[in-house]
Amino acid sequence: DGGITQSPKYLFRKEGQNVTLSCEQNLNHDAMYWYRQDPGQGLRLIYYSQIVNDFQKGDIAEGYSVSREKKESFPLTVTSAQKNPTAFYLCASSITLLGTEAFFGQGTRLTVV
Amino acid sequence: AQKITQTQPGMFVQEKEAVTLDCTYDTSDQSYGLFWYKQPSSGEMIFLIYQGSYDEQNATEGRYSLNFQKARKSANLVISASQLGDSAMYFCAMSGNNDMRFGAGTRLTVKP
Repeated sequence: DGGITQSPKYLFRKEGQNVTLSCEQNLNHDAMYWYRQDPGQGLRLIYYSQIVNDFQKGDIAEGYSVSREKKESFPLTVTSAQKNPTAFYLCASSITLLGTEAFFGQGTRLTVV
Repeated sequence: AQKITQTQPGMFVQEKEAVTLDCTYDTSDQSYGLFWYKQPSSGEMIFLIYQGSYDEQNATEGRYSLNFQKARKSANLVISASQLGDSAMYFCAMSGNNDMRFGAGTRLTVKP
């Protein structure tokens, strides 16, 4: 079945450590996105990518990094520079940036301990 | 930059009644897409409905319809015949030439 997969579902990290969240899609979509969601709030755009080897910063890119070496993969690294990383992270993909539905993964809940 | 505004943090509706969730947007793009998503407590994002900026007719999908008023830059979601399972967060979103952004969301509670 086609879809978008995020792993792990729950992740615990010690302060000062980098951690990488996985996002894989087999929908042959060009565009991929990472969003952060804090409790009771909306989605804020971290990074997005329109094509392989290209990505753009969203509204809250500081403390995060991404790569897009393959069309189907868009991993997000939460670095130690991110001051408040505890949140729910959602990855999404769409055929293009415009005019098509975005498909979402199940999300990763990151907790810093 | 694109901006999406949802001014209703929470809404209540009686079961079987209709409810309208508000969404306004701001963009300088001529071509864009407008979406509504539902997020139940499980956290997954469920696509509900899509409206293209050049679509002249309002989109409908079952009990969901999108009241698109381009001149007012509004894209309100109308849910008819509310069901208890409709209780969730609802997000309005817009895609343009650069990215895809979401509003802050509206929490809908359906009362029995």
